[in-house]
Amino acid sequence: NAGVTQTPKFQVLKTGQSMTLQCAQDMNHNSMYWYRQDPGMGLRLIYYSASEGTTDKGEVPNGYNVSRLNKREFSLRLESAAPSQTSVYFCASIPVDRSYGYTFGSGTRLTVV
Amino acid sequence: DAKTTQPTSMDCAEGRAANLPCNHSTISGNEYVYWYRQIHSQGPQYIIHGLKNNETNEMASLIITEDRKSSTLILPHATLRDTAVYYCIVRVAFSGSTGKLIFGQGTTLQVKP
Repeated sequence: NAGVTQTPKFQVLKTGQSMTLQCAQDMNHNSMYWYRQDPGMGLRLIYYSASEGTTDKGEVPNGYNVSRLNKREFSLRLESAAPSQTSVYFCASIPVDRSYGYTFGSGTRLTVV
Repeated sequence: DAKTTQPTSMDCAEGRAANLPCNHSTISGNEYVYWYRQIHSQGPQYIIHGLKNNETNEMASLIITEDRKSSTLILPHATLRDTAVYYCIVRVAFSGSTGKLIFGQGTTLQVKP
């Protein structure tokens, strides 16, 4: 099925460990985004990629890095995880004409202990 | 992007219309009104968007006031599965824009039997 696929769905890390969250879309969308959502909060933008080869910071980029590997894939890396990064992470994409809004993945639930 | 104000929560009887208001008094002429919803910590789901004309699709209707300072999302026959957090977002939509979405707290809609 067409859409945005995120892996893994769940992850527990120890403080200081690193990991990469993967995101892939098969809709030929140009722009891709990473958001985080803390309990009871709205979504906050971490990083985005307006097109292949470009990335920019969002509202809360500290502690994260991203890579737009190709048009399909946009990964989020935590170099040294901290308990404050415990959250649900959503990846999203949107086509150039933005005619029907963003498509979101199902999320990665990350706990840092 | 213009800021939006939504009620924190609303109730609606099953089978009745759910009317969700949103104020965006500082909206600019080229900014669209988008609505998304999030069910049970799943990824947000696009519902509808509009510029100044009223819009309708298979999910909902969007009514935008003539001065564009407020709008209402209408779910014509709410079901229990429509219980979710609904986000109203105002932003520039098309090419030349980075495509960021800034989510607020949204309205928690509880549909009751």
